[in-house]
Amino acid sequence: GESVGLHLPTLSVQEGDNSIINCAYSNSASDYFIWYKQESGKGPQFIIDIRSNMDKRQGQRVTVLLNKTVKHLSLQIAATQPGDSAVYFCAVNLNTDKLIFGTGTRLQVFP
Amino acid sequence: GAVVSQHPSWVICKSGTSVKIECRSLDFQATTMFWYRQFPKQSLMLMATSNEGSKATYEQGVEKDKFLINHASLTLSTLTVTSAHPEDSSFYICSASRGQGNQPQHFGDGTRLSIL
Repeated sequence: GESVGLHLPTLSVQEGDNSIINCAYSNSASDYFIWYKQESGKGPQFIIDIRSNMDKRQGQRVTVLLNKTVKHLSLQIAATQPGDSAVYFCAVNLNTDKLIFGTGTRLQVFP
Repeated sequence: GAVVSQHPSWVICKSGTSVKIECRSLDFQATTMFWYRQFPKQSLMLMATSNEGSKATYEQGVEKDKFLINHASLTLSTLTVTSAHPEDSSFYICSASRGQGNQPQHFGDGTRLSIL
């Protein structure tokens, strides 16, 4: 099976700073990882994904790092903006169609 | 691309009513659709996986006779909450995937269901 956890339930950062949200997973056979952003009252929004044959992937202002040795995943947001305030979920796929979601980290951006 | 539309966004109804929620993939064909339930300040809980033209696969503890799922086409899946009761009040979210190997799920904006 697979269980997914997040290191911090809430992360507060100042506008303009970089944010790092962490996620740990338990099954070393997990092969696909996704980060989602969920704003209040809305469905999760895809941010970035990474497959197990990669260690790092970059998007616009976001970077996902995958450390398979310690089964750890992180999302880095550069120059955090107020619009980044939301709950962030990591999701893990174990070579099936199903995703297992982490518990979520609430990112709060203050001026 | 990869837009998923969910309707209605908010439902308030009396206990005993059946409620149908629609999930549509607008710009891609969704081989697989998923239905989730989310309680306040909690993560998403998968209820069932729906494949076009076949019966849905329900997660353990989810009553298939209570939550009827139909996936009649590659762009539409429906969830019907039958004889809804206050404990069924929740945020229901669907997602769709192209289903070809590791592909991201794309989510609708959810349906807030309140049973009085």
